Amino acid sequence: DGGITQSPKYLFRKEGQNVTLSCEQNLNHDAMYWYRQDPGQGLRLIYYSQIVNDFQKGDIAEGYSVSREKKESFPLTVTSAQKNPTAFYLCASSQTRTGPDDMNTEAFFGQGTRLTVV
Amino acid sequence: AQSVAQPEDQVNVAEGNPLTVKCTYSVSGNPYLFWYVQYPNRGLQFLLKYITGDNLVKGSYGFEAEFNKSQTSFHLKKPSALVSDSALYFCAVRDIYGNNRLAFGKGNQVVVIP
Repeated sequence: DGGITQSPKYLFRKEGQNVTLSCEQNLNHDAMYWYRQDPGQGLRLIYYSQIVNDFQKGDIAEGYSVSREKKESFPLTVTSAQKNPTAFYLCASSQTRTGPDDMNTEAFFGQGTRLTVV
Repeated sequence: AQSVAQPEDQVNVAEGNPLTVKCTYSVSGNPYLFWYVQYPNRGLQFLLKYITGDNLVKGSYGFEAEFNKSQTSFHLKKPSALVSDSALYFCAVRDIYGNNRLAFGKGNQVVVIP
């Protein structure tokens, strides 16, 4: 089955603790994304990566870190510097443009991880 | 940087009536435009996209969208809404000639009233 998998589905973090959210895809996609979703605020981009060993900050990168050591994997670490981490986190992947007739451009999403600070 | 605006927070429509969810975008180059739907506590599901060609694109579950370059809009439509269409809808834009970033609007809650 091809797809994108996020784990865990639910995660609880204590104050001052770092936690890592997993995102794995077997779609052979070059680009991967992390979004944070809060009620009424839509999806806000945290980090994205267009290729292995490279990534760029999104709109709300402070308090988060990522790595892209393998094409299939794009883990997100929520550090203790993130003061309000309680949210629903979504990972996505997509093909980058390979030519003018490239129609395979939509992003595929995982089922999300709900992070709660306790 | 690219951006998307979805001006309405919630769209209420009676079952069987036409449904429209509005979206306008801003991008420096040629836009790739998308609509997604989200059910509670789930990821986003792809509905349809505009890449090039006909301005009217058809997608999943009877949805369609019209690309209007002069108005920079990409409104989602369905001729006859179903109760099962009640969900959160997101418009997104990607500038593939630029930084390849995928930007989303804030989403519209659609409520279909039986």
